[in-house]
Amino acid sequence: AQKVTQAQTEISVVEKEDVTLDCVYETRDTTYYLFWYKQPPSGELVFLIRRNSFDEQNEISGRYSWNFQKSTSSFNFTITASQVVDSAVYFCALSEPQGAQKLVFGQGTRLTINP
Amino acid sequence: DAGITQSPRHKVTETGTPVTLRCHQTENHRYMYWYRQDPGHGLRLIHYSYGVKDTDKGEVSDGYSVSRSKTEDFLLTLESATSSQTSVYFCAISESAAGTADTQYFGPGTRLTVL
Repeated sequence: AQKVTQAQTEISVVEKEDVTLDCVYETRDTTYYLFWYKQPPSGELVFLIRRNSFDEQNEISGRYSWNFQKSTSSFNFTITASQVVDSAVYFCALSEPQGAQKLVFGQGTRLTINP
Repeated sequence: DAGITQSPRHKVTETGTPVTLRCHQTENHRYMYWYRQDPGHGLRLIHYSYGVKDTDKGEVSDGYSVSRSKTEDFLLTLESATSSQTSVYFCAISESAAGTADTQYFGPGTRLTVL
């Protein structure tokens, strides 16, 4: 069975600090997809990134970067120079590539950026 | 933004009453999903649909039923609501081609309270 673990329940940092959110996954599939979503205080779920299992290149988008390592089954998310607007709950998710491609979510990490 | 709406956005009901939540999309996507979000659990899949009249169970389907009579609408019904079904319910859509996992985009959510 697929499983996603976000061991950090809550993180609190001061603005401008760098912060890394951990995501560890379990799957028996050789092909799979990983996702990160952001849920700001307003409650909607915002898609951030999708990565397939064959692409281990790190991804950078502005202050956001993602480190995918198949050897450790991890897909970590780093925010550089954090800002108050980054405060949100962040979810990591895993999807199978076939059929309905259902998402399995981690428990989420609540990130608070203090001014 | 993906064209997904959910109604109602908030509902308070009493134990034992039937409740129907509606998800409506304007994207003509094939797949639609219902998730529930609870503290400490992230999001968990309730039911999903892979076409008109084609539905299947997810991880936490007990006590829920669904219907999809039109591509754009996916209904979630609680036949007899219980307090354990108090949650935030999210609908999602995707257009998944064979062998790949399209991104799921989420509606704004429905907050349901069962007293």
